[in-house]
Amino acid sequence: ETGVTQTPRHLVMGMTNKKSLKCEQHLGHNAMYWYKQSAKKPLELMFVYNFKEQTENNSVPSRFSPECPNSSHLFLHLHTLQPEDSALYLCASSQEAGGSSYEQYFGPGTRLTVT
Amino acid sequence: GQNIDQPTEMTATEGAIVQINCTYQTSGFNGLFWYQQHAGEAPTFLSYNVLDGLEEKGRFSSFLSRSKGYSYLLLKELQMKDSASYLCAVRALDYKLSFGAGTTVTVRA
Repeated sequence: ETGVTQTPRHLVMGMTNKKSLKCEQHLGHNAMYWYKQSAKKPLELMFVYNFKEQTENNSVPSRFSPECPNSSHLFLHLHTLQPEDSALYLCASSQEAGGSSYEQYFGPGTRLTVT
Repeated sequence: GQNIDQPTEMTATEGAIVQINCTYQTSGFNGLFWYQQHAGEAPTFLSYNVLDGLEEKGRFSSFLSRSKGYSYLLLKELQMKDSASYLCAVRALDYKLSFGAGTTVTVRA
């Protein structure tokens, strides 16, 4: 148990559906992140929130929309996805987005399949 | 930007030692992390290096040479539970992490 939870763990959705991924951290951290992990590829940073403010949007298509209502919760709203968006979506948190040796703590991920 | 290379797969025998190399090219270096990820699970933090040299943590050690853009993770006394993917990640001056594709280590009995 890393203190970061994600729901759902698995999601299958059609290209016309709208769904949301949820992440919650119980570590008292101030920064939260969304990553995409595709098979045999490096983790790709998607979004960064630091003290509830979005500080990074790594050229992510607008069909992915993040929301951070407070420092403990992070959402990723999905709509009109493409089959190539199928991947493992990982949430992470850290003490702050900047700082010396702050490692990131990852959630177990949501396995998304777009049909 | 970052360019991070690590081998795709390695196989070793239980009780042996395995060294996973990671080379990187970066426009600004601010630390290197190693993570372990078991299949279907979250990556978990193993080690952090920001200065040259060796950091030891039990059976795992990590080495960094900034001038060579090189790090390795050393796993000693391998156990079956060490079978996992090992991710090298480099932090840039803006504190963003860039990950390698991961090295899948298989430990055989």
